[in-house]
Amino acid sequence: DVVMTQSPLSLPVTLGQPASISCRSSQSLVHSDGNTYLTWFQQRPGQSPRRLIYKVSNRDSGVPDRFSGSGSGTDFTLKISRVEAEDVGIYYCLQGTHWPPYTFGQGTKLEIK
Amino acid sequence: EVQLVESGGGLVQPGGSLRLSCAASGFTFTNYAMTWVRQAPGKGLEWVSGISGSGGITWYADSVKGRFTISRDNSKNTLYLQMNSLIAEDTAVYYCAKSQVVTAMTFDYWGQGTLVSVSS
Repeated sequence: DVVMTQSPLSLPVTLGQPASISCRSSQSLVHSDGNTYLTWFQQRPGQSPRRLIYKVSNRDSGVPDRFSGSGSGTDFTLKISRVEAEDVGIYYCLQGTHWPPYTFGQGTKLEIK
Repeated sequence: EVQLVESGGGLVQPGGSLRLSCAASGFTFTNYAMTWVRQAPGKGLEWVSGISGSGGITWYADSVKGRFTISRDNSKNTLYLQMNSLIAEDTAVYYCAKSQVVTAMTFDYWGQGTLVSVSS
């Protein structure tokens, strides 16, 4: 199975400052169809997960443009350009290239400093 | 508007069974794969099972293979998860999620979850 490793696991950020979360996979996530199936989710306290980014860098409808995804191969990053209070929660990456199983990262808890 | 509403969770003894349901609306159900993801209390997300749009293809995590069965009734726009031989480690909130394609999982919409507690 592909292991997804996120860092940091805890991320205290000052309001208005940028934030960055890393996600590394144990093998390349480039699919034979040429796509890279790396997805980012946000889970606010007490809520269900919400998809933010799919195929590395495609933002879902309604996701603020302060969120961006980048990376390739085995190394991926979710960036928030200016953190707002509503961004508090846990962020997960997911690989959908080598499945089953689909595998999630451990989660990164973002809090306001 | 896409809506996914899970039900069927509850308290069950080890070795017992439970059937979860996920009622879908707001999209053409049969056109999309569906999946179950769980989250143990205070823990991260774990993919459990998936099913193709027609229901003809299913996939399972090793942790539930042979004990859980995913199915769907496209005439009722409903996804199911039959859980047998439950163990304490199955205690979690179970979410259903929709896909954007017919034979792979993309997790674009999620339900609110239903809590399953396995305890004596």
